[in-house]
Amino acid sequence: QVHLQESGPGLVKPSETLSLTCIVSGDSISSNRHFWGWIRQPPGKGLEWIGNIFYSGSTYYNPSLRSRVTISADTSKNQFSLKVTSMTAADTAVYFCARAAMLRGIITGVDSWGQGTLVTVSS
Amino acid sequence: DIVMTQSPLSLPVTPGEPASISCRSSQSLLQSDGYNYLSWYLHKPGQPPHLLIYLGSNRASGVPDRFSGSGSGTEFTLKISRVEAEDVGVYFCMQALQTPTFGGGTKVEIK
Repeated sequence: QVHLQESGPGLVKPSETLSLTCIVSGDSISSNRHFWGWIRQPPGKGLEWIGNIFYSGSTYYNPSLRSRVTISADTSKNQFSLKVTSMTAADTAVYFCARAAMLRGIITGVDSWGQGTLVTVSS
Repeated sequence: DIVMTQSPLSLPVTPGEPASISCRSSQSLLQSDGYNYLSWYLHKPGQPPHLLIYLGSNRASGVPDRFSGSGSGTEFTLKISRVEAEDVGVYFCMQALQTPTFGGGTKVEIK
């Protein structure tokens, strides 16, 4: 049974960089069967795909966030990370890490989610 | 972006009765491989979302058979054949043919 757990600060100041880590157990992020990604949900709003990483290290970012987002992986620790620069109040959200199944390189479904962590941007 | 539109926003249900949720996409989700890249999720309060249906109509592992997904192209439906009390929460759809986008959610609650 795969388990994902986000870790990182709950409060970030405007203009600073958010760094979150997702620790994975029960599966290897080095597997070529899944993407590993980040999804967020601002309070009272819908979900937004941030981006994902594949075992090869290749990444995909939502074009709306591409200029500010970096996703990386540490296979030795079986974890992957998210960095978002120049945070503003609009980035306040619950951030989920997730595992996505795929078929010929296209996501078929997000089959495992972390609990989510609330990140608030405030001075 | 592909826009996902769900209806209704809220769905009061009676245990034992059927329920149905609609999801419409602004572009066809039918890929040349014959699959619709549409999935359904349930988000219960205090829990992470979990996958119910993938590729339009395939039940995820461990999902009760009272849940079914149907549709193709731009119109999709999630049906619960007999609602149980544990089925309350927010249901949402997601497309992954392009940058993944999500429906706004349908809140299911017991009458």
